[in-house]
Amino acid sequence: GAGVSQSPSNKVTEKGKDVELRCDPISGHTALYWYRQRLGQGLEFLIYFQGNSAPDKSGLPSDRFSAERTGESVSTLTIQRTQQEDSAVYLCASSLSEGAPEAFFGQGTRLTVV
Amino acid sequence: AQKITQTQPGMFVQEKEAVTLDCTYDTSDQSYGLFWYKQPSSGEMIFLIYQGSYDEQNATEGRYSLNFQKARKSANLVISASQLGDSAMYFCAMREQDSGTYKYIFGTGTRLKVLA
Repeated sequence: GAGVSQSPSNKVTEKGKDVELRCDPISGHTALYWYRQRLGQGLEFLIYFQGNSAPDKSGLPSDRFSAERTGESVSTLTIQRTQQEDSAVYLCASSLSEGAPEAFFGQGTRLTVV
Repeated sequence: AQKITQTQPGMFVQEKEAVTLDCTYDTSDQSYGLFWYKQPSSGEMIFLIYQGSYDEQNATEGRYSLNFQKARKSANLVISASQLGDSAMYFCAMREQDSGTYKYIFGTGTRLKVLA
């Protein structure tokens, strides 16, 4: 596609439910990044993929968070047993490679846990 | 300790004037990268400019320039000839390399309002 696509754009879920957030990067981009942005705050780096591998998962906030990428394309961020503090906008970005300076962001998924 | 510090929560500038958004950083790495992103009210993050720690020249991209002062660990963004469309949140970010992997740290942002 022309840009980074994220779905859903909005998600309201009940506390304790699992959610899956999807990111379709720009075709040919080998690096893919996930960030979390709480209301009125800066971006919190969660994880990145080079190809299908995530070199470092230590940025994930807890073991309820997991992410995977397949086919060097689509990535899914899964949050299990959601909590109210998980409410945020989850942003995905991609770049040509992990060292490329310019990353292109999607519009984000606004997650609300009620 | 904050790795990226943006001390100006909000800034105003008159249209057509220049404005400087401050950013200081803290790292012990020799190799790192510094970025500025713009986030309009619509929410998307837009890459503006990048400076590598070994780059001797300040980065410039059109009306954007990065005033890189390595010894002071500052990476201020200068926007020349401000336009109404420049009104947005601006984030400074740093990329460090740790054990062969990259880590990205963002500042808390500066909200810029351009006045007509």
